[in-house]
Amino acid sequence: ETGVTQSPTHLIKTRGQQVTLRCSSQSGHNTVSWYQQALGQGPQFIFQYYREEENGRGNFPPRFSGLQFPNYSSELNVNALELDDSALYLCASSQKRGNTEAFFGQGTRLTVV
Amino acid sequence: AQTVTQSQPEMSVQEAETVTLSCTYDTSESDYYLFWYKQPPSRQMILVIRQEAYKQQNATENRFSVNFQKAAKSFSLKISDSQLGDAAMYFCAYRSASDMRFGAGTRLTVKP
Repeated sequence: ETGVTQSPTHLIKTRGQQVTLRCSSQSGHNTVSWYQQALGQGPQFIFQYYREEENGRGNFPPRFSGLQFPNYSSELNVNALELDDSALYLCASSQKRGNTEAFFGQGTRLTVV
Repeated sequence: AQTVTQSQPEMSVQEAETVTLSCTYDTSESDYYLFWYKQPPSRQMILVIRQEAYKQQNATENRFSVNFQKAAKSFSLKISDSQLGDAAMYFCAYRSASDMRFGAGTRLTVKP
């Protein structure tokens, strides 16, 4: 149990729709990062938020956007869903500085049909 | 861009034996951390072990240890006395202040 919770656990959406995934960070962590994990592959870094500002982004288009709130919970928004967006979406919280690891939630399985 | 490479898609080990999983990475940064994560079928990513780049001493955590070769940008994981519960996907990961990259993973099978 990492203290990082994601909702929902499973979701089915139609191509072209928009989706919002949510993440509650572990207490005391001010950094959250989001990852896309396609079946049989390693997680791909989408972006990272530190104190409500994006401070790192992977190779994902602008239709992937995020928010971090003052209580350090976070949202991942994906617009104009495509079939290839079907994946496990993981969120992780961590402290920005120091010898700390990222603590992961259990993920949200998104299926786009 | 930072890249992480795991060249072994699958590995198999006999229970109680030792296995080594390989990982190489590429970066131009000097301040970073390296991790090994385990992902069982439950899909929760679980930290196995971590290594700070500025430390020369290899990290050890019970049956798990790493061989960190900074100049060669190599970071292998050794699992001693393998147990059935070690069976999972193992991911090598690189973390800097604004980025975290994972390898493609190695599926470890433990034979009784």
